[in-house]
Amino acid sequence: EVQLVESGGGLIQPGGSLRLSCAASGFTVSSNYMSWVRQAPGKGLEWVSVIYSGGSTYYADSVKGRFTISRDNSKNTLYLQMNSLRAEDTAVYYCARKRLAAAGQPGAFDYWGQGTLVTVSS
Amino acid sequence: EIVMTQSPATLSVSPGERATLSCRASQSVSSNLAWYQQKPGQAPRLLIYGASTRATGIPARFSGSGSGTEFTLTISSLQSEDFAVYYCQQYNNWPPSDTFGQGTKLEIK
Repeated sequence: EVQLVESGGGLIQPGGSLRLSCAASGFTVSSNYMSWVRQAPGKGLEWVSVIYSGGSTYYADSVKGRFTISRDNSKNTLYLQMNSLRAEDTAVYYCARKRLAAAGQPGAFDYWGQGTLVTVSS
Repeated sequence: EIVMTQSPATLSVSPGERATLSCRASQSVSSNLAWYQQKPGQAPRLLIYGASTRATGIPARFSGSGSGTEFTLTISSLQSEDFAVYYCQQYNNWPPSDTFGQGTKLEIK
């Protein structure tokens, strides 16, 4: 059974740093396209970042230069390092797996974790 | 950035009736379009991918159609568990920068 379990959220002051973790089971993180998606309180979904199976990484403009996505293959775990946090980064952060679409390209998000809440406030 | 616009923002429908939700892309996304259902306090659940293919375990009353810039999610006979928020998402562009619609809240009439 595929499972994704996030951790690491909490209350952090503006300008601070936090690292989120997403432990996966039932599949191999390094063989898949993995993403972080966030949802501000009462708002819609916003894609944050993706890491490809080959290791390439991409970011939304809103977090570029501040957030870093990575993975630990030995732990089958995805990470999101968040630096220079701002109030507008307050959200539930989900990790999600992208299914393979046509020609092996990344497709829709077929599995999601339960999310971890990050609150940026003084 | 590809902007996804969903309509209406809120849809009131009676159980047993049909619901039709729309999603428009600011430029063509081919068939690289997904629909998700989200209930309060839960993660989104994939319903439809490739614009029209139901995900594993999704009931046949859910169907998707469209390509290019205009897409539709139809729920043929609403059950009580279907009242939720629905999001469309495109995953077509390069470099990757998925975008979601703002959501349609499906509520009981």
